[in-house]
Amino acid sequence: RKEVEQDPGPFNVPEGATVAFNCTYSNSASQSFFWYRQDCRKEPKLLMSVYSSGNEDGRFTAQLNRASQYISLLIRDSKLSDSATYLCVVNMGGNNDMRFGAGTRLTVKP
Amino acid sequence: DAGVTQSPTHLIKTRGQQVTLRCSPKSGHDTVSWYQQALGQGPQFIFQYYEEEERQRGNFPDRFSGHQFPNYSSELNVNALLLGDSALYLCASSFAGGGGGYQPQHFGDGTRLSIL
Repeated sequence: RKEVEQDPGPFNVPEGATVAFNCTYSNSASQSFFWYRQDCRKEPKLLMSVYSSGNEDGRFTAQLNRASQYISLLIRDSKLSDSATYLCVVNMGGNNDMRFGAGTRLTVKP
Repeated sequence: DAGVTQSPTHLIKTRGQQVTLRCSPKSGHDTVSWYQQALGQGPQFIFQYYEEEERQRGNFPDRFSGHQFPNYSSELNVNALLLGDSALYLCASSFAGGGGGYQPQHFGDGTRLSIL
């Protein structure tokens, strides 16, 4: 089983749609979780951290389910500018040892 | 406040050669991690440096080595280059905060390495 698994997509949605991505992780001792966004041929950029109680940042909502070992990202009211690859990132231990999923590609169309 | 900087941005090498990539962390950060990202894949963890020592290592052969300097900057060295080493090499920095470290990492623009 891969350390971090994501549905690669692609997800093709119209503007204004709501889209959700899931990510599962294998190490139950993982302590922290993040979603990064990566545009084509660019570096990954932090989108948001994922907290145990769930957290929201504007149109973006992240959830963590420790019992089932998955995290999710919900994007509401999709914009054309949301088109990117979304990377699920899991900290595997106390030394900030990050593991990335392969990414989920999102395309928002007019 | 300078972010993570990497050099060079692009590099072309031939099989069997050696390469050195460089990274300066974001101001205030003391930990540097290196990743290899092949086309269409997520970044794969190579290793992490903290206090000038390799602290964690991913599943990469010994051809991949690194170094961290007292000013926290870092180098990634790859010997005996193979065609399969062609990828985007990303450096990320973070602040360990005294040993724990659950802080998100900040990435540089990467070095795109092509092996001919």
